[in-house]
Amino acid sequence: EVQLVQSGAEVKKPGESLKISCKGSGYSFTSYWIGWVRQMPGKGLEWMGIIYPGDSDTRYSPSFQGQVTISADKSISTAYLQWSSLKASDTAMYYCARRSRSWFDPWGQGTLVTVSS
Amino acid sequence: QSALTQPASVSGSPGQSITISCTGTSSDVGGYNYVSWYQQHPGKAPKLMIYEVSNRPSGVSNRFSGSKSGNTASLTISGLQAEDEADYYCSSYTSSSTLFGGGTKLTVL
Repeated sequence: EVQLVQSGAEVKKPGESLKISCKGSGYSFTSYWIGWVRQMPGKGLEWMGIIYPGDSDTRYSPSFQGQVTISADKSISTAYLQWSSLKASDTAMYYCARRSRSWFDPWGQGTLVTVSS
Repeated sequence: QSALTQPASVSGSPGQSITISCTGTSSDVGGYNYVSWYQQHPGKAPKLMIYEVSNRPSGVSNRFSGSKSGNTASLTISGLQAEDEADYYCSSYTSSSTLFGGGTKLTVL
C-alpha cells in the first residue's frame, strides 16, 4: 500500500525553528515528486512547493519562496518542510502528497503546527 | 498566479445531481488537461476524486465525473448521498506550479 506518514503535531513560539517530516512507503520514493500544501484554519488549500527526491530538484510557489525550505533524504524515504523563524501566521495544517504526473495522491494525514507566544 | 475560482457553496437533495465549476485562465485550466478534484471531509486529509479532467481513480464512485470547456472545469456528482457532504477543491497543474481553487462546500439537504 502506498502511504505517506507525517510527523506529529507541534506547538512552537514565534521565532523558533521547526522541521516536519513526511515518510513514504510502498513505492519507489525516488521516482515521484512530493509536494507540500498549507491549509490555514478554516481556509482552503495552498500549494507551497515540491521536491523530486531522486535528485532533490525543488520548486517553490512564489508565495512561499524564501519563507520555508523543502528537502528530502532518499536514504530514509523522507521529505521535510522547515522554517528557520516561525511566525504566528504559520499556524496551519500542513499536508504532504505524492504527485503522479499532474495529480496528488495519496496525501499524508497532515501535521498541525501551532505558533503562539 | 491567482487561485482558481470556485463557488463558495452548493447544495442539493439526496438523489439529485450537482455541478461545481472551477474557472481559471488559458495559462492553467484552459491550457492543459491537468485538472484534478479533491474531496475533503472535516478534520481529514484531501482525497483524489478526479484526475486529468475526467479520469476516476480506482475506488471512486462512478457518481463522480469531470469535464472541461475552455478555461472552466466542472465536477458533477450524480445521485447525491449524505456522505458526499464535504469540501471540494479543484487543482490545475502547469509546468511551473500547481494552483488550487478556493474550495466549495457541498451541503446535502
